[in-house]
Amino acid sequence: AQSVSQHNHHVILSEAASLELGCNYSYGGTVNLFWYVQYPGQHLQLLLKYFSGDPLVKGIKGFEAEFIKSKFSFNLRKPSVQWSDTAEYFCAVNSNSGYALNFGKGTSLLVTP
Amino acid sequence: DVKVTQSSRYLVKRTGEKVFLECVQDMDHENMFWYRQDPGLGLRLIYFSYDVKMKEKGDIPEGYSVSREKKERFSLILESASTNQTSMYLCASRPTGYYGYTFGSGTRLTVV
Repeated sequence: AQSVSQHNHHVILSEAASLELGCNYSYGGTVNLFWYVQYPGQHLQLLLKYFSGDPLVKGIKGFEAEFIKSKFSFNLRKPSVQWSDTAEYFCAVNSNSGYALNFGKGTSLLVTP
Repeated sequence: DVKVTQSSRYLVKRTGEKVFLECVQDMDHENMFWYRQDPGLGLRLIYFSYDVKMKEKGDIPEGYSVSREKKERFSLILESASTNQTSMYLCASRPTGYYGYTFGSGTRLTVV
């Protein structure tokens, strides 16, 4: 079955620490990849996306992600996190044969001052 | 600013009630989706629609139905609410040919 796996369910970091959240998927063929963020009490927002081209994509608020096709991975990174990055992060994948996005279970990030 | 609007932010319903969750988008999107979000389980697809009057089951359709009579509106129906349907319900839409969603703010439903 097609699936999206996020390795870390809860992450706690101090401000200025570097962040990497893992995401792997099990789809074959062409995929569209997304990271969404949900700040406390707010709706899901698109952080960044990959459709094709340069496998290193940059998103909002200093986030970036790298698509590694051979590893079926799309890891999210940020060099230096801030307290305001405290949120839940969701990786999502769509294959071109499907209508809907499939989401990982999410990673809850807490950044401490 | 483009929007997906869910009619209620919070709802409390009794077991056995028929519950309607409404979602309206103003972007002329063909595709609309209903997910439920539960801690530790992420977002799970309940139903989606790719056109007016068209609907497809997602991963967890049991206990739910949907209605799409107009392009802008996609309703989720809980035929007989049960306590295990207590959850956050998220509506989303996207245009054909683009796979990124716009999400609504969610409806937190509690069934007592």
